[in-house]
Amino acid sequence: QQPVQSPQAVILREGEDAVINCSSSKALYSVHWYRQKHGEAPVFLMILLKGGEQKGHEKISASFNEKKQQSSLYLTASQLSYSGTYFCGTAQGGKLIFGQGTELSVKP
Amino acid sequence: GAGVSQSPRYKVAKRGQDVALRCDPISGHVSLFWYQQALGQGPEFLTYFQNEAQLDKSGLPSDRFFAERPEGSVSTLKIQRTQQEDSAVYLCASSPRWVGQLFYEQYFGPGTRLTVT
Repeated sequence: QQPVQSPQAVILREGEDAVINCSSSKALYSVHWYRQKHGEAPVFLMILLKGGEQKGHEKISASFNEKKQQSSLYLTASQLSYSGTYFCGTAQGGKLIFGQGTELSVKP
Repeated sequence: GAGVSQSPRYKVAKRGQDVALRCDPISGHVSLFWYQQALGQGPEFLTYFQNEAQLDKSGLPSDRFFAERPEGSVSTLKIQRTQQEDSAVYLCASSPRWVGQLFYEQYFGPGTRLTVT
């Protein structure tokens, strides 16, 4: 089942912070985060595992709440380069099921 | 180094034609994945390979879709008798890790945009 992301879209000014949430109705063992700019390939950001392990990227951090079956991606002091669509994905073996995406626009 | 490449980047097919989409993964990557992405949606899983073995093809929409990776490197996604609903971007991704490992970050190619008229 597809994870649900919120919000669907967010507009920020440079330097502002944002949080993107990803929820699943199924038990989560890992959550993957990717960013896709318009017309480009998705780029890996982070994987979080049950138990707290994570493999991260740049100045972006994330949390994983196993009880609530959700993950949150934290973008602090946003830069213009953060603009794009953010996808979370839940892994079921080799199958990665992506959410519908959150479109983030950072304005100068 | 070189990333994942896909060809062609754009393909226009008439309804009923067969198409073949190619993916060149990063050299040495054991796992390879295919996704279909409709406009404004997240990538939707189609199938994945570990070396030459196709371990999951549950996402292929119909028996008109077929994927192969005969030598464990280059992969081809074939769509027979294309229909308008097949129009989408087809993304390929590879990973240096076995899917059974906990971290298997995926490196995506630029995709092939297929338009069926």
